[in-house]
Amino acid sequence: GAGVSQTPSNKVTEKGKYVELRCDPISGHTALYWYRQSLGQGPEFLIYFQGTGAADDSGLPNDRFFAVRPEGSVSTLKIQRTERGDSAVYLCASSFPSGGAGELFFGEGSRLTVL
Amino acid sequence: DAKTTQPPSMDCAEGRAANLPCNHSTISGNEYVYWYRQIHSQGPQYIIHGLKNNETNEMASLIITEDRKSSTLILPHATLRDTAVYYCIVPLGNTPLVFGKGTRLSVIA
Repeated sequence: GAGVSQTPSNKVTEKGKYVELRCDPISGHTALYWYRQSLGQGPEFLIYFQGTGAADDSGLPNDRFFAVRPEGSVSTLKIQRTERGDSAVYLCASSFPSGGAGELFFGEGSRLTVL
Repeated sequence: DAKTTQPPSMDCAEGRAANLPCNHSTISGNEYVYWYRQIHSQGPQYIIHGLKNNETNEMASLIITEDRKSSTLILPHATLRDTAVYYCIVPLGNTPLVFGKGTRLSVIA
């Protein structure tokens, strides 16, 4: 499809394990965002890419979280030594105009459950 | 982001207009007002945005007061599929969007 694609849609892992979540943005969109959403809360900003570089990573909660976008298209969010508190829906969005504001197109998210 | 205030929840009868308010009294002159919605188990969806003038598209209308301190999102004929959480956001410059808790709109048959 033409929308933002996120895989896996669901991931169950054990505490301490390593997890990768993938985002395939809309073709041609230069900006890519990662958010996470806990139950009953609005999406919380994690990191934003403009092209290949992280333009703003101020939302990453700690150094266990890392994201890459090596070719300026697909991005991977990596979480090391997962904790139960990392359980959430991880949302990816992309947009054509550079910058944080604007019309973002979101994927359906990857639900992470850490047991 | 400029702080926004929205009621936590609202009900609307199917077929009637849904009017969702948002206060953003600290908004500055060049900041836009954005509205998104999130249907259960889906990612947020962009609805509309505006600066000063009222805006309309195929999804909704946005009415911004003359002093820009508040706005109202109008869904002219709400359907059950409009049941969702609606977020009003005023981003600061080019910073990433900051989502609050929004308004949970329930459209009732």
